Amino acid sequence: AQSVTQLDSQVPVFEEAPVELRCNYSSSVSVYLFWYVQYPNQGLQLLLKYLSGSTLVESINGFEAEFNKSQTSFHLRKPSVHISDTAEYFCAVSRGLSGYSTLTFGKGTMLLVSP
Amino acid sequence: NAGVMQNPRHLVRRRGQEARLRCSPMKGHSHVYWYRQLPEEGLKFMVYLQKENIIDESGMPKERFSAEFPKEGPSILRIQQVVRGDSAAYFCASSYGGDGVETQYFGPGTRLLVL
Repeated sequence: AQSVTQLDSQVPVFEEAPVELRCNYSSSVSVYLFWYVQYPNQGLQLLLKYLSGSTLVESINGFEAEFNKSQTSFHLRKPSVHISDTAEYFCAVSRGLSGYSTLTFGKGTMLLVSP
Repeated sequence: NAGVMQNPRHLVRRRGQEARLRCSPMKGHSHVYWYRQLPEEGLKFMVYLQKENIIDESGMPKERFSAEFPKEGPSILRIQQVVRGDSAAYFCASSYGGDGVETQYFGPGTRLLVL
């Protein structure tokens, strides 16, 4: 079984400041890792994912996340946030083995960007 | 290329009524997942289906909830005799394959309110 912990329920920041959203996971097997973003009253959109290879993955809109196996973490970072980044961010894991796997989500972190 | 479609987007039911939620996966996807998002909670897996088969329903409540994905038509999540605790957002996701490496694409959700 896997579990995901997002330590912060809300992160308020000012526009153009850097931000880090924390995610830790627990699993007895290897995992794949995902960050999803949810804008108000919308579905989840995939932001980025780690499957294998380079531990640093990037999204097209400036976010990046680094897989740290020893610390079982997959923190999300952005060097300079915009107002439009205000949304809820969910970290998720799936089992990294053959055969089907479903997603296990954290409780989410609400990123609040103010001018 | 249409994404995952869900309808209705909003559904209001009185206690004891039935709720039917529909999900049309992305074109070419034959794997469908249902998740439930309770207020201030992350998404919780409910059921995973392929065409005409339920693969994993370990997250489904034992009573009143059922799901299907017929050979033709959308996947249906059915809740009989709804109670106030069923009020939540229900998200459907689809993927091309079922392995953990596959990206799940989410629909906009159905927000169920039980009065």
